[in-house]
Amino acid sequence: DAKTTQPTSMDCAEGRAANLPCNHSTISGNEYVYWYRQIHSQGPQYIIHGLKNNETNEMASLIITEDRKSSTLILPHATLRDTAVYYCIVRVGTSYGKLTFGQGTILTVHP
Amino acid sequence: GAVVSQHPSRVICKSGTSVKIECRSLDFQATTMFWYRQFPKQSLMLMATSNEGSKATYEQGVEKDKFLINHASLTLSTLTVTSAHPEDSSFYICSASPPAGSGNTIYFGEGSWLTVV
Repeated sequence: DAKTTQPTSMDCAEGRAANLPCNHSTISGNEYVYWYRQIHSQGPQYIIHGLKNNETNEMASLIITEDRKSSTLILPHATLRDTAVYYCIVRVGTSYGKLTFGQGTILTVHP
Repeated sequence: GAVVSQHPSRVICKSGTSVKIECRSLDFQATTMFWYRQFPKQSLMLMATSNEGSKATYEQGVEKDKFLINHASLTLSTLTVTSAHPEDSSFYICSASPPAGSGNTIYFGEGSWLTVV
């Protein structure tokens, strides 16, 4: 699976949009971009995934650049409960479920 | 949606004893489950792949005789830490994914904190 690079930490004001970047310059054509987050002392929570088109669900939006070498996770209206470690993971979509976690981005949402 | 559950959420055991952690897929069958370990302020590290009806596959550096994995049914995998020592104290997390065609989403359990004293 392709390696990803994320900033170590980011801050965001409550109510504002949080934009979390991820670089995956070695991504292959059949690899998806997945985002998970981990709130302290809990298991990772699935957020969203995509292949090449932008995706949106009730939690977030995923913007993937046209060359697919980077992406941005957008939390449109961050709340204090969104404070967590956010992991960007690239994997082959048809693989059977193994994930390789990097260090992720620590997002702190402050009042 | 699909849910993966772990039990117990927290366990304290004495050094030298064994402890079992269960991972269940609640509304789907999972032929494969995964076990991760996470030390404080570190990322998740894959320990092993649990295969229903066959032997688990361990990652390099993980002792298969110390971390026994049993996947006896399509909804249950267990991780047994044998002869536990304080350095085994960690957060253990399992994951599973529904069969192909269900969105390819991987779900994680709530995690189990193990403290060996």
